[in-house]
Amino acid sequence: TQLLEQSPQFLSIQEGENLTVYCNSSSVFSSLQWYRQEPGEGPVLLVTVVTGGEVKKLKRLTFQFGDARKDSSLHITAAQPGDTGLYLCAGAQGEDFNKFYFGSGTKLNVKP
Amino acid sequence: NAGVTQTPKFRILKIGQSMTLQCAQDMNHNYMYWYRQDPGMGLKLIYYSVGAGITDKGEVPNGYNVSRSTTEDFPLRLELAAPSQTSVYFCASSYGRGGGRQPQHFGDGTRLSIL
Repeated sequence: TQLLEQSPQFLSIQEGENLTVYCNSSSVFSSLQWYRQEPGEGPVLLVTVVTGGEVKKLKRLTFQFGDARKDSSLHITAAQPGDTGLYLCAGAQGEDFNKFYFGSGTKLNVKP
Repeated sequence: NAGVTQTPKFRILKIGQSMTLQCAQDMNHNYMYWYRQDPGMGLKLIYYSVGAGITDKGEVPNGYNVSRSTTEDFPLRLELAAPSQTSVYFCASSYGRGGGRQPQHFGDGTRLSIL
């Protein structure tokens, strides 16, 4: 079982559509990160959120950390083919590196 | 800008063989990590190091060993390869303290198949 559950697992949409990806847990996290991974490459950090209720925007991407710090969401506005990839959330519990967990990912395909 | 370099990129091993996955970073990061990524399962932490000479176990350390003799290098050793170790292995590094708040910089991975 995954400590962080991501949904949906797969998402295929047309260019220009909006979408939301969810990252949920029954556990509390001190911080949460979102990464994007392209085939054959390692994950690349998009954002880190540390405060419950925090909202961060990165161009067309909006990230939110839940008030209780148990969940997070990633919203993409007007998706583009360049957004295609695997989106991973990762959460830390305290300062211990061995308590750092990745979700299973959401595979996004944006069709032109 | 090399960042985190992993070698080899691909490898096929027979059951029972041993090998070392190499990882080097040129960013002078103190913290380094090894993960494995199985299909549909996300990344799981195998081992991590907070500096030269210091290593500790992650979530799934069984069957692996690591060493950290220099700041730059963090090799991962498989002593007796088993089919369950077929996976994609990622090395990462980060600067400074803060646990999961620090951005981790990943290599491009080593794809390992054990037959």
